[in-house]
Amino acid sequence: GAVVSQHPSWVICKSGTSVKIECRSLDFQATTMFWYRQFPKQSLMLMATSNEGSKATYEQGVEKDKFLINHASLTLSTLTVTSAHPEDSSFYICSAVPGGNTGELFFGEGSRLTVL
Amino acid sequence: DAKTTQPPSMDCAEGRAANLPCNHSTISGNEYVYWYRQIHSQGPQYIIHGLKNNETNEMASLIITEDRKSSTLILPHATLRDTAVYYCIVRVARSQGNLIFGKGTKLSVKP
Repeated sequence: GAVVSQHPSWVICKSGTSVKIECRSLDFQATTMFWYRQFPKQSLMLMATSNEGSKATYEQGVEKDKFLINHASLTLSTLTVTSAHPEDSSFYICSAVPGGNTGELFFGEGSRLTVL
Repeated sequence: DAKTTQPPSMDCAEGRAANLPCNHSTISGNEYVYWYRQIHSQGPQYIIHGLKNNETNEMASLIITEDRKSSTLILPHATLRDTAVYYCIVRVARSQGNLIFGKGTKLSVKP
C-alpha cells in the first residue's frame, strides 16, 4: 500500500515553545491530508483537513491559530503546535488518500508530543 | 457515513481464528465497509474493505451478511502481533474525505 511518513516520531518540548510535525506521502501525491489527535485510551479525533495550496479546514473546537497547518506541496503537510502547553500533549497522526484509489486512507506512524 | 457498533473488547488464543463482529444496520447502498487496526502507539493500518461480496487478502477475510447490516473480520491464525484495536468504518466508495473512528474493538491475543 501507499506509504505516509511522519517526523518526528516523538518530541519533548518546554511549555511555551512551538513544535513542527511533518507528514510526507512517499510514493503518491496527496492533494488532501488529514490531521488527527489521539489522547490516551481514546479514539482518533479529526483536527483539520489540509488542502494543498489553500487554507486548512479546522474542526469545531480546534484553534486554527494554535495548530498551524501548511500544505505547500503535493507530498508534504506540516502541523505546527504554537505556544505548546501540557494539555497539548497527545499523539498526532496524519493521513492521506492517494488519488484514483478506492477510498482507503493511509496513515503515518504518528508523532507523540510531550509538553513539560 | 453510517454508524457502526463493535464490542469493546475480545480475547483470542494464539493460533486460533479471531472473529471480530461489526453492526452497521443503517448502511447505504453506496457505502463500503472498511476495517483498520491500530497497534499501540502506531498509526492506523488499513486491513481490508468490501461492498457486499466476501473479500480476502493476505491479512484477513471480510464476511458481509446478505442484507449488509453486519460484517465479520476474520484473522485466520491470530498471533501476538495482532493484538490491537480494530475499527470497523462505513464509508462511501472512492470518498476523498476523512475517516470517522468509533471506539473499535480491543483484541487481545493471548499465548
